[in-house]
Amino acid sequence: KQEVTQIPAALSVPEGENLVLNCSFTDSAIYNLQWFRQDPGKGLTSLLLIQSSQREQTSGRLNASLDKSSGRSTLYIAASQPGDSATYLCAALYQAGTALIFGKGTTLSVSS
Amino acid sequence: KAGVTQTPRYLIKTRGQQVTLSCSPISGHRSVSWYQQTPGQGLQFLFEYFSETQRNKGNFPGRFSGRQFSNSRSEMNVSTLELGDSALYLCASSLDPEDTEAFFGQGTRLTVV
Repeated sequence: KQEVTQIPAALSVPEGENLVLNCSFTDSAIYNLQWFRQDPGKGLTSLLLIQSSQREQTSGRLNASLDKSSGRSTLYIAASQPGDSATYLCAALYQAGTALIFGKGTTLSVSS
Repeated sequence: KAGVTQTPRYLIKTRGQQVTLSCSPISGHRSVSWYQQTPGQGLQFLFEYFSETQRNKGNFPGRFSGRQFSNSRSEMNVSTLELGDSALYLCASSLDPEDTEAFFGQGTRLTVV
């Protein structure tokens, strides 16, 4: 069964800390993996897209890596800020699948 | 460049009624997907349209249906509403169904009373 798992479900850190969010997927045959941010009651904002042939992508303070052999992706956030507080979702587009499969998300709280 | 637009943003309906939600994708995008988000189940795939054809359908009852028009705008319809249909309905657009980035709208919050 094609699944995506995110650990931890919630994370609280003080401002300025570097942190890593984890995402695992069950099948290495993916087209891509995408990280999103969701603020309460809002839609999803795309943060980073990693194609299956890529190992990592960077945007500002965000860096996402992809290791298909282990079925894992990580989202690294450098120098966290209170404005980073949100739920972070990863989603895999499986080659044998029908649509993006989402994890349940990690809710991040950054305190000042 | 305009993003994905979903209308309406909020809806309150009574059990047994039907509802239609609308999604206008990013200009040039031909693939539209719909998802239901609830606190318990997370994001679940409803259906996907590409060039006016339904390519895939998730595991939802037949009360949930959709369509896509020639301008790529999409609508989804839910008939005979149940309390459990209360959710945030999200629409995503992409250039094509495979291997491209998906962009989401702000969603329609449906409350069934």
